[in-house]
Amino acid sequence: DIVMTQTQLSSPVSLGQPASISCRSSQSLVHSDGNTYLSWLHQRPGQPPRPLIYKIFNRFSGVPDRFSGSGAGTDFTLKISGVEAEDVGVYYCVQATQFPFTFGQGTKLEIK
Amino acid sequence: EVQLVESGGGLVQPGGSLRLSCAASGFTFSSHWMYWVRQAPGKGLVCVSRIETDGSTTNYADSVMGRFTISRDNVKNTLHLQMNSLRVEDTAVYYCVRGWSGAFNLWGQGTMVTVSS
Repeated sequence: DIVMTQTQLSSPVSLGQPASISCRSSQSLVHSDGNTYLSWLHQRPGQPPRPLIYKIFNRFSGVPDRFSGSGAGTDFTLKISGVEAEDVGVYYCVQATQFPFTFGQGTKLEIK
Repeated sequence: EVQLVESGGGLVQPGGSLRLSCAASGFTFSSHWMYWVRQAPGKGLVCVSRIETDGSTTNYADSVMGRFTISRDNVKNTLHLQMNSLRVEDTAVYYCVRGWSGAFNLWGQGTMVTVSS
């Protein structure tokens, strides 16, 4: 199975400040069809996850443009350009290149 | 409204069985791969099973292989997960999830399964 490893934020983030979350896979996520199936989810307490980004950098409809994704191969990053109160919760990266699809352990975002 | 609504969770003893269902509405159900993803209390997310659009291909995580069976009814727009020989470690919220472009792009609210004596 592909192991997904996320970094943890070192401290709570102040409103309006940027935040960056890294995700690393144990092997390349480039699929045989040429796509890289790395996506990001956001989960608030007591809620199901909400999809944010697909295929590295594409935002789903309704996702604010302060969220951006980047990376390639085995290293990926989710950036929030200016954190807002509603952004609290846990962020997960997930790979869908090889079944079983696997998630990172989650990165908790807290507001200072 | 585009949505997924799970049902069938509950409390069951170890070794018992449960059948989860997921009612899909507001989209062309038969065009999407569908998944069951679970989340144990306070833990992360685990994809336990998937099924192809026409039901011809199914896959399972090693932890549930041989005990869980995924199925779908494209006439009734429903997804099922038959869970047998349940273990304490199967305790989790089970989410029905729609796949699209290599991502999980629609999630139900989840149904809680508790395996305990």
